Amino acid sequence: NAGVTQTPKFQVLKTGQSMTLQCAQDMNHEYMSWYRQDPGMGLRLIHYSVGAGITDQGEVPNGYNVSRSTTEDFPLRLLSAAPSQTSVYFCASKYRGPNTEAFFGQGTRLTVV
Amino acid sequence: AQSVTQPDIHITVSEGASLELRCNYSYGATPYLFWYVQSPGQGLQLLLKYFSGDTLVQGIKGFEAEFKRSQSSFNLRKPSVHWSDAAEYFCAVGPLMNRDDKIIFGKGTRLHILP
Repeated sequence: NAGVTQTPKFQVLKTGQSMTLQCAQDMNHEYMSWYRQDPGMGLRLIHYSVGAGITDQGEVPNGYNVSRSTTEDFPLRLLSAAPSQTSVYFCASKYRGPNTEAFFGQGTRLTVV
Repeated sequence: AQSVTQPDIHITVSEGASLELRCNYSYGATPYLFWYVQSPGQGLQLLLKYFSGDTLVQGIKGFEAEFKRSQSSFNLRKPSVHWSDAAEYFCAVGPLMNRDDKIIFGKGTRLHILP
């Protein structure tokens, strides 16, 4: 019973490098999302998807790209990493609808130097 | 737009004492409300949720929350805390009906437990 799986758990990047954070879920959830967590800021929504082929921007989308080619996977791409993107990133998934709970991955701690 | 406010950034209580964490929401209709807990180095786990019906909802780990529409509040309570309750707690509000599915989180309250 894997739930939501994020890889890697830790990553250090140099400024300007690119990378992809992976997120996979095995619960057949239509909705998937990426949040970043910074001290004192709570969880801020980066991008979300309500199904394969559909993505949309959240509160803080700049510097990040996403795609949703399958129901299971929702990768987050950093095209040119900046120190301001140092954060803990969480992927979450749920069924569609207002009364459904979100399930979270364990997080990826990213440091950009 | 919906929003969530958690007025307390940090709360410290003694082990065995009672706990109340505050949450206020802004919502255009009947709210869908959640409390999540995040232990150090972990993802978020659902404690409880309110959709409708009884305004006092029970959750896991001995937590409960009360929905008060007149005060736009959904405070989390526990009668007697344990050292293992030290964590960060997030209140959240679900999406408006027939809109996007976004869940909006408060900034969190970090709970410290004194031995």
